[in-house]
Amino acid sequence: DAKTTQPTSMDCAEGRAANLPCNHSTISGNEYVYWYRQIHSQGPQYIIHGLKNNETNEMASLIITEDRKSSTLILPHATLRDTAVYYCIVRVGDSSYKLIFGSGTRLLVRP
Amino acid sequence: DTAVSQTPKYLVTQMGNDKSIKCEQNLGHDTMYWYKQDSKKFLKIMFSYNNKELIINETVPNRFSPKSPDKAHLNLHINSLELGDSAVYFCATTGFGTGKHWGYTFGSGTRLTVV
Repeated sequence: DAKTTQPTSMDCAEGRAANLPCNHSTISGNEYVYWYRQIHSQGPQYIIHGLKNNETNEMASLIITEDRKSSTLILPHATLRDTAVYYCIVRVGDSSYKLIFGSGTRLLVRP
Repeated sequence: DTAVSQTPKYLVTQMGNDKSIKCEQNLGHDTMYWYKQDSKKFLKIMFSYNNKELIINETVPNRFSPKSPDKAHLNLHINSLELGDSAVYFCATTGFGTGKHWGYTFGSGTRLTVV
């Protein structure tokens, strides 16, 4: 699996957009970009994924650059409950493929 | 109705004991996993089962033995527990489910403390 690079920590004000970057310069053509988050030692939670196109769901938006070497997860209106560690993972979109977690970005949402 | 449930949630035991952690999923997914999160918060895969068949075994000591009696269950038995086994163990599943993606669904974890 391609490796990812994320900032160690970030913070944003409640109600503002949180933009979390991820570099994956060695991503392969068949690898998806997945985002998960872990809120205070709970099990990681799926947020969103994409291959080439930008994606949006009820939780977040995912912007993938045209060369696919980097992406940004956007939480449009961050709340205190969004404080968590966010993991960017690239992997083949297959059911049996393992997830390789890095150290993630610790996002702190300030009141 | 919890999708992936683990029991127990907390487990405190002495070195040398044998213990089991159980995982059950009601999502109908084919693949189940055990992940370990150590004190430094790194999450690492340990095992993966697909339709009761072991498909991933990541250089885990053979004191750890997963068992899948059926597609909905994946248990983890640990023999001769050591201090270094203290961690949070997460069960997870993958399947083509909600949102039409091969996303993972994790359980809430079992915090194992060996004293």
